[in-house]
Amino acid sequence: DTGVSQDPRHKITKRGQNVTFRCDPISEHNRLYWYRQTLGQGPEFLTYFQNEAQLEKSRLLSDRFSAERPKGSFSTLEIQRTEQGDSAMYLCASSFTGATRTQYFGPGTRLLVL
Amino acid sequence: TQLLEQSPQFLSIQEGENLTVYCNSSSVFSSLQWYRQEPGEGPVLLVTVVTGGEVKKLKRLTFQFGDARKDSSLHITAAQPGDTGLYLCAGEGSGGGADGLTFGKGTHLIIQP
Repeated sequence: DTGVSQDPRHKITKRGQNVTFRCDPISEHNRLYWYRQTLGQGPEFLTYFQNEAQLEKSRLLSDRFSAERPKGSFSTLEIQRTEQGDSAMYLCASSFTGATRTQYFGPGTRLLVL
Repeated sequence: TQLLEQSPQFLSIQEGENLTVYCNSSSVFSSLQWYRQEPGEGPVLLVTVVTGGEVKKLKRLTFQFGDARKDSSLHITAAQPGDTGLYLCAGEGSGGGADGLTFGKGTHLIIQP
């Protein structure tokens, strides 16, 4: 299977703990995106990378969030000092750079902060 | 800020009926994508439309991009229970700013046998 993969699929943590999620994009894709989706809403853009460079961050990405893509392949999203409001589905997507940058999504990591 | 309004938010119909879902914005998009999402899973791409006025068909699903590239519609003919799911439209910006997609809130579709 050469689709986007995410790990873990589910995470339960206590408020104040740090969590880290991983995304492996489609191998030929040089762009990687992170989104957050809460119940009843569509996904909201957080940040994206072109190769290893982080090119854009949404206002939703507070200082407690950090994302990396050190070698231009997989990416990690870390949330420090989690809060209950961080509970959501975290989605990763990847695409080519080109005229039409269709994004393909992974299965997501569902985070529950108690 | 680019916003996408989807309607209806919820739709429950009988198997065999036709339906149309709308996605509207005051902003121009360079492309628009439709996804279907199952509970607990990521969105799965259905189609990308790029040209104003473009119509694409995927079996019983017909997608149309408005002439001004501000709106789109999804029409399903003879709906089947397997069509049940959350349908999301997402626009790619027409220039400047973030390259992330702007999503609508989605249409929850239930097809009853």
